[in-house]
Amino acid sequence: GIQVEQSPPDLILQEGANSTLRCNFSDSVNNLQWFHQNPWGQLINLFYIPSGTKQNGRLSATTVATERYSLLYISSSQTTDSGVYFCAVYRLTGGGNKLTFGTGTQLKVEL
Amino acid sequence: DAGVIQSPRHEVTEMGQEVTLRCKPISGHDYLFWYRQTMMRGLELLIYFNNNVPIDDSGMPEDRFSAKMPNASFSTLKIQPSEPRDSAVYFCASSSGTASYEQYFGPGTRLTVT
Repeated sequence: GIQVEQSPPDLILQEGANSTLRCNFSDSVNNLQWFHQNPWGQLINLFYIPSGTKQNGRLSATTVATERYSLLYISSSQTTDSGVYFCAVYRLTGGGNKLTFGTGTQLKVEL
Repeated sequence: DAGVIQSPRHEVTEMGQEVTLRCKPISGHDYLFWYRQTMMRGLELLIYFNNNVPIDDSGMPEDRFSAKMPNASFSTLKIQPSEPRDSAVYFCASSSGTASYEQYFGPGTRLTVT
């Protein structure tokens, strides 16, 4: 099956710093989602982004499907950004509507 | 919209007991998914339904696990008998195959089997 790798696995930031999280996938995909799992375990949708760039406040994401990667940018980080960030990909051909998750990036934002 | 609703939020049971997890998808969504999250295996898809019909159950770990969707607004995941290795967080998600395939997750059920 498709492999989804995320980097870095762990990241510690000082409040106010910027960061870039990366997601690489091993095969073509139909779509891609970024999630934030907060410290209470909730999975929150950040972006649904098959290609191009989207922005939502301090967060933005870029997917380059032809090169099989996506980036999540966090600017002016806050302590509430702490948690795990997951990338997940869809492949509709043969596998139906199945979402495969990466292993995540654990982010901790400190004061 | 209330989002995806799951119950119970926490479940503690003894090995050998039957466990039933419940999910109400977002109204109008025609896909429903059950996932399990553990430290060792991360987030993995167990089974998904389209229009109440199971489409792919290849992720269901063994015969002790079963899932049903009797109508468009309700699904259950049952474990019988439960074992300590079933301890995990179980998520339900739903999506609309017509609008987009973006999946929305419920709050999860944290299951502990002692």
